[in-house]
Amino acid sequence: GDSVTQMEGPVTLSEEAFLTINCTYTATGYPSLFWYVQYPGEGLQLLLKATKADDKGSNKGFEATYRKETTSFHLEKGSVQVSDSAVYFCALRNTGGFKTIFGAGTRLFVKA
Amino acid sequence: GAGVSQSPSNKVTEKGKDVELRCDPISGHTALYWYRQSLGQGLEFLIYFQGNSAPDKSGLPSDRFSAERTGGSVSTLTIQRTQQEDSAVYLCASSTDVNQPQHFGDGTRLSIL
Repeated sequence: GDSVTQMEGPVTLSEEAFLTINCTYTATGYPSLFWYVQYPGEGLQLLLKATKADDKGSNKGFEATYRKETTSFHLEKGSVQVSDSAVYFCALRNTGGFKTIFGAGTRLFVKA
Repeated sequence: GAGVSQSPSNKVTEKGKDVELRCDPISGHTALYWYRQSLGQGLEFLIYFQGNSAPDKSGLPSDRFSAERTGGSVSTLTIQRTQQEDSAVYLCASSTDVNQPQHFGDGTRLSIL
């Protein structure tokens, strides 16, 4: 079945460091891919998405490129801030489907 | 508010009791989803409603779990004869349709003693 695998956390970085959180997926067809973020004490919210191969989703300085050849959707940010500390979830939804499959989440701590 | 509202925010109950969790989606959102997030785990899909219909109930963990949605709006998730392994955060999300991004509520943290 469809699945999402993302790197285990926690990831601890200093402010202004470069961030990569790896995400790979297994799916039939052509899924849409998402990154969701959960800030401390808040609900899940969509960070960015990409709906087809080679699309790049971006928001708040974060980027992720849909790589079909490597079945990956890695999240990157060039310079993290303390306020980026949160749990990040990679997810997919298959074409015409309603079920969104989430990864286990990666907790990010950013130190000042 | 304009977001997805879930109640209660926290629920502590004894093993064997029944619990009912409520979700108020964003007005006009026809699609509604329930997920379960256990400690250290990702989100586990439970059930999806399009309007009042649930096309796929296969995500429900056991027959102790049921869900309904009335009037295309509020949904309730009921867990009968709760077990300790039911302890988790139960999240509800809604969207304008299945192809649009989901908006999540803050969840109900359920603890079974």
